[in-house]
Amino acid sequence: DTGVSQDPRHKITKRGQNVTFRCDPISEHNRLYWYRQTLGQGPEFLTYFQNEAQLEKSRLLSDRFSAERPKGSFSTLEIQRTEQGDSAMYLCASSLAVGRGGEKLFFGSGTQLSVL
Amino acid sequence: QQQVKQSPQSLIVQKGGISIINCAYENTAFDYFPWYQQFPGKGPALLIAIRPDVSEKKEGRFTISFNKSAKQFSLHIMDSQPGDSATYFCAASKGTSYDKVIFGPGTSLSVIP
Repeated sequence: DTGVSQDPRHKITKRGQNVTFRCDPISEHNRLYWYRQTLGQGPEFLTYFQNEAQLEKSRLLSDRFSAERPKGSFSTLEIQRTEQGDSAMYLCASSLAVGRGGEKLFFGSGTQLSVL
Repeated sequence: QQQVKQSPQSLIVQKGGISIINCAYENTAFDYFPWYQQFPGKGPALLIAIRPDVSEKKEGRFTISFNKSAKQFSLHIMDSQPGDSATYFCAASKGTSYDKVIFGPGTSLSVIP
């Protein structure tokens, strides 16, 4: 079990630049989530996929954020024209959703984004 | 809006004591209530979870108590150890339909020797 892998672990960028993060979920998991976490807060839902379909995107998520999961495998999260308020830990989680919901989420260690 | 409220924000407990963290929710459609534990530099990890058809669930030193009428649930850590020092998040989701997990703001627990 290799777990959920996120790359890079840290990213420093200047305001206005675009950044892209990658998440490799546990191989047999069909659901993939992106969360954002700031210091002292709980993970905040951004979006999630069931296989390659993006099922929901948070209303709080600006149009500068886009996520993809081609072929239902790895996922990328892109932030365009970064702002200082985008500085946060971006967490990816995967799960195997079968039958009744309420599945166990497996989180990666996150990508820490700092926008200067 | 904060769909899951959590208290206290931080907690200091002596080794061997009982740590208690409380959560409350508003949405009666929630029917799956997990607790996650997070260590610095790591993502959260599932600790224990409960569905509202039971009032209590125990796994080792960790117990969830659930009060459906009050829309509250709590985590009790018995015989707290320094290794339990971490941030704990309660969460909720509509488990019967594939829905996102909503997290509370977290409780930072420090267990002192």
